Amino acid sequence: SQKIEQNSEALNIQEGKTATLTCNYTNYSPAYLQWYRQDPGRGPVFLLLIRENEKEKRKERLKVTFDTTLKQSLFHITASQPADSATYLCALEVSSASKIIFGSGTRLSIRP
Amino acid sequence: GAVVSQHPSRVICKSGTSVKIECRSLDFQATTMFWYRQFPKQSLMLMATSNEGSKATYEQGVEKDKFLINHASLTLSTLTVTSAHPEDSSFYICSAPGAGELFFGEGSRLTVL
Repeated sequence: SQKIEQNSEALNIQEGKTATLTCNYTNYSPAYLQWYRQDPGRGPVFLLLIRENEKEKRKERLKVTFDTTLKQSLFHITASQPADSATYLCALEVSSASKIIFGSGTRLSIRP
Repeated sequence: GAVVSQHPSRVICKSGTSVKIECRSLDFQATTMFWYRQFPKQSLMLMATSNEGSKATYEQGVEKDKFLINHASLTLSTLTVTSAHPEDSSFYICSAPGAGELFFGEGSRLTVL
């Protein structure tokens, strides 16, 4: 069956450290994968997109990798700050159906 | 970036009544909009894809007659929860696709008493 899994439901790290979140998928062949941030009671906000032919993409303190062999994406936040505390969602496009589906999310908490 | 406005942000209704949620793309046209539902501490579950000028496409297990979707124009899609029951209480979020990303509304918190 098709699945998108974010292995950690919650992740707590110390301010200044690098946070690494994992997204794994099975039985999909996405052309791209996205990461979103969601704050409580709000809609998700787009952060980054990485295409199947890209191994890594960066945006300020964010870095995303995409390994289509392992069927995995890693999302890194370097020099983490308490303001980075939120739920982070990975999403991929099911191109055959023109829709985007989401992983279960990882709730990240950065302690001062 | 593009803006999607969703209204109302919160609604409380009695069991058996119907509730309409509106989703508008403010500065762009959206031929497609997606409706998601999110239960507490869970991820977004796609309910249906709204298509301007044609019928919506519903995900497996989502009742078409209960969750009525109308995509009346290129900037407006509505979701009507008919004969709402307490188990329909959830956070409903719409989104419209842009260039490589989804633009989300702020969500509507529905509480059915």
